[in-house]
Amino acid sequence: GAVVSQHPSRVICKSGTSVKIECRSLDFQATTMFWYRQFPKQSLMLMATSNEGSKATYEQGVEKDKFLINHASLTLSTLTVTSAHPEDSSFYICSAADRGFRIEQFFGPGTRLTVL
Amino acid sequence: GENVEQHPSTLSVQEGDSAVIKCTYSDSASNYFPWYKQELGKRPQLIIDIRSNVGEKKDQRIAVTLNKTAKHFSLHITETQPEDSAVYFCAASITGRGSTLGRLYFGRGTQLTVWP
Repeated sequence: GAVVSQHPSRVICKSGTSVKIECRSLDFQATTMFWYRQFPKQSLMLMATSNEGSKATYEQGVEKDKFLINHASLTLSTLTVTSAHPEDSSFYICSAADRGFRIEQFFGPGTRLTVL
Repeated sequence: GENVEQHPSTLSVQEGDSAVIKCTYSDSASNYFPWYKQELGKRPQLIIDIRSNVGEKKDQRIAVTLNKTAKHFSLHITETQPEDSAVYFCAASITGRGSTLGRLYFGRGTQLTVWP
């Protein structure tokens, strides 16, 4: 099956700093990547959809200037949480899909962000 | 947009019993319905999926049924085991249509506990 990695797996940072999370498709070309946020005991909430080489499409209520998404290549997308605050603490998960491969999305292992 | 409702939110069964989780969706254009199992702190894992041209699909102890007319689909787990304990999410997606290709709409999740 297709493999998606995420780095880092855990990060603790101080309030006001920025944090970058990487999502990589290891053995396929991801034309589309999705970024989710999951709070404890809740469902996955889609934050944005990014297609390689174009601007990300953000879901309603997600600040695009706070959550910067870059999908510069077919194997890498990054999510940068700018000026992080404690309320941004969450589990961030990416998924990747290739329209020419399968309709299934392949999820990364997630990044646990804790903002102090 | 699509709205996916999932019930129950928690489900406790005795080992060996069957478990059923039900979901409804609102958009008749949805044509792909995956089910995910998520263990605490881990990524969602696809356990079974069904497309709208199929009414039922089975994989060993797991089966999914789809009723397009009523817009609902269900997950059936037979002969449950303690290792089946996890959170299960249903999702719906519209595939093959422009920029929304592959976007998953998740249910709220069901915490399944299987008692030995």
